[in-house]
Amino acid sequence: EPEVTQTPSHQVTQMGQEVILRCVPISNHLYFYWYRQILGQKVEFLVSFYNNEISEKSEIFDDQFSVERPDGSNFTLKIRSTKLEDSAMYFCASSENGLGLPFFGPGTRLTVL
Amino acid sequence: GDSVTQMEGPVTLSEEAFLTINCTYTATGYPSLFWYVQYPGEGLQLLLKATKADDKGSNKGFEATYRKETTSFHLEKGSVQVSDSAVYFCALSAKTSGSRLTFGEGTQLTVNP
Repeated sequence: EPEVTQTPSHQVTQMGQEVILRCVPISNHLYFYWYRQILGQKVEFLVSFYNNEISEKSEIFDDQFSVERPDGSNFTLKIRSTKLEDSAMYFCASSENGLGLPFFGPGTRLTVL
Repeated sequence: GDSVTQMEGPVTLSEEAFLTINCTYTATGYPSLFWYVQYPGEGLQLLLKATKADDKGSNKGFEATYRKETTSFHLEKGSVQVSDSAVYFCALSAKTSGSRLTFGEGTQLTVNP
């Protein structure tokens, strides 16, 4: 069964450093998403991406964040200068179309020290 | 804006006990409602869904009914198993936002033998 994969499973970084979280969506899916969950809080939508551009973003997704589909298979989330409050579980998801249910990856736990 | 509220957790039950996890929502219009489950080390998996009032979603012995009058979508199972131990997330998708999901806080369920 096709699945969304994410690497690494756990990333530890120092405050102020740049991190790139990687995702491989399901191969025939066209819409891609990032969500995050700060420990003990809700899963929150960050951004959706279609046709090589951002289609929607939340107020959390500020200038420190960027997304990219650098090749035909990867979808990345970059945090330019990490802050302590960026520590969270980051989930990637993909869907076949804009109204279809997204399939989620297992998440990357980001710890900022 | 849209929001989802789940009962405070965690929940600990003995095997074969009855499970209820409460979920209420606030949304404009008529959202679709979902329950996702996250097993340890895995991604968010769709458990069941309902797309209109009075619909009942069901899967793996779990059920939830879309109640528009009480804006609720409570998850129930008549007899839980140890293998049901996981985190359960209630979520909604407003029709106008495509696949963007709004999640509740998640409820950790532990089932003891």
